[in-house]
This record gives sequence, C-alpha cells and structure tokens, in this order.
Amino acid sequence: GAVVSQHPSRVICKSGTSVKIECRSLDFQATTMFWYRQFPKQSLMLMATSNEGSKATYEQGVEKDKFLINHASLTLSTLTVTSAHPEDSSFYICSARDLSGTLSYNEQFFGPGTRLTVL
Amino acid sequence: GENVEQHPSTLSVQEGDSAVIKCTYSDSASNYFPWYKQELGKRPQLIIDIRSNVGEKKDQRIAVTLNKTAKHFSLHITETQPEDSAVYFCAARGLTGANNLFFGTGTRLTVIP
Repeated sequence: GAVVSQHPSRVICKSGTSVKIECRSLDFQATTMFWYRQFPKQSLMLMATSNEGSKATYEQGVEKDKFLINHASLTLSTLTVTSAHPEDSSFYICSARDLSGTLSYNEQFFGPGTRLTVL
Repeated sequence: GENVEQHPSTLSVQEGDSAVIKCTYSDSASNYFPWYKQELGKRPQLIIDIRSNVGEKKDQRIAVTLNKTAKHFSLHITETQPEDSAVYFCAARGLTGANNLFFGTGTRLTVIP
C-alpha cells in the first residue's frame, strides 16, 4: 500500500519557537494532503487541506498565520507551527490522497504522526 | 459541513463476542465511509470502507453496513480477540470543499480475555 512518512516523530520545544513538521508520500504523488491535530483521547480534527502548488484551505478557527502550510511538491507538505505555546501541544497527523487515479480514489493514507510538546 | 456522530464512546466485550459501533452523518451527499483503527500513539489504519452505492461489505471478521436513507452506518466485529482492542473511528467524506474526511468522536473498544 501507499506509504506516508512524517518527520520528526517527536519534538519538544520552548514556548515562542517555531517548529516545522514534514509530511512525505513515499511511493505515490499526493495531489492533496490534509493536516489533522488530535488531543489525548479525542478525535482527529481537520486543520487544513493543501493542494500542490496552491494555497492551503484552513478550517474555521484555525489561524493560518500560526499554522503555515506549504505543499511545494507532489510528495511533500510541511506544517510550521509558529511561535508555539503550550496549548499547541498535540499530536499532529498528516494524510495524503492520490487523485491521479493510480491508487484508490477514495482512500486517505495517514502518516505516523508527530507529537509536539511545547514547554 | 458534515457532522459525524459515533456511539458508544467506550465498549467492553468478552473475547469471542461481537462488537457493534454505530455512526450517523448529516450530509446526504456523502458517498464514502471508512472505518479506522488507531492504537495508542500510532496512525489511524483503514480497516474497511464502504461507498454509498453498496449496503454492506464484509472482510473476514469485520463488516460494515450502510443505510443511506437513515444516514447511518455501523461497524460489526465478530469473534473479537484481545488484539482488536483499540480506538475505532468512523468517517464520512462529503462532496463539498476538498473532499476531506470528517471523523466521528471515536470508540474505545476493550476485548476482555
């Protein structure tokens, strides 16, 4: 099956710093990538949708200036948490879809997640 | 947008018994309904999915049923095993926007040996 990787898997940072998380599709071209955050014992909440070569679409309540998303290529999307604060501590998961038709049109493939802890 | 509700939030069953998790959705235009299993600290894993043109789908011990009229779908796990213990999420994909998945709130399944 299709593989999506994320890096780093864990990151601890000081309040006020910025953190970049990478999401890569390893064996397919991800025309669309999604970023979710998941708090402990809660569901996945969609933050934004990114399409290669265009601006990301953010869900209501998600600050686009705080959570910068770049989808510069068909295999890489990045999420940068700017000026991180303790309340940004969460599990961030990306997922990718291949709309070109080589894989199942419907399925989303998830990355392993990044656990961010802001001190 | 789409709103997905999931019940129950926790479910404990004896090994060998069946487990049923139910979800409802709000957007009648949704046409894809996957179920994911997530173990602690790991990524969601797709276990089964169903499209709106099918009423039921089965894969070994796992089955999903869909009632489009009532806008609800269910996951059925038979002959449960301890390794089935995890959090299960249903999801629905609408036709608006970027076709992203909307997730239910999750069900923590515990299979008691």
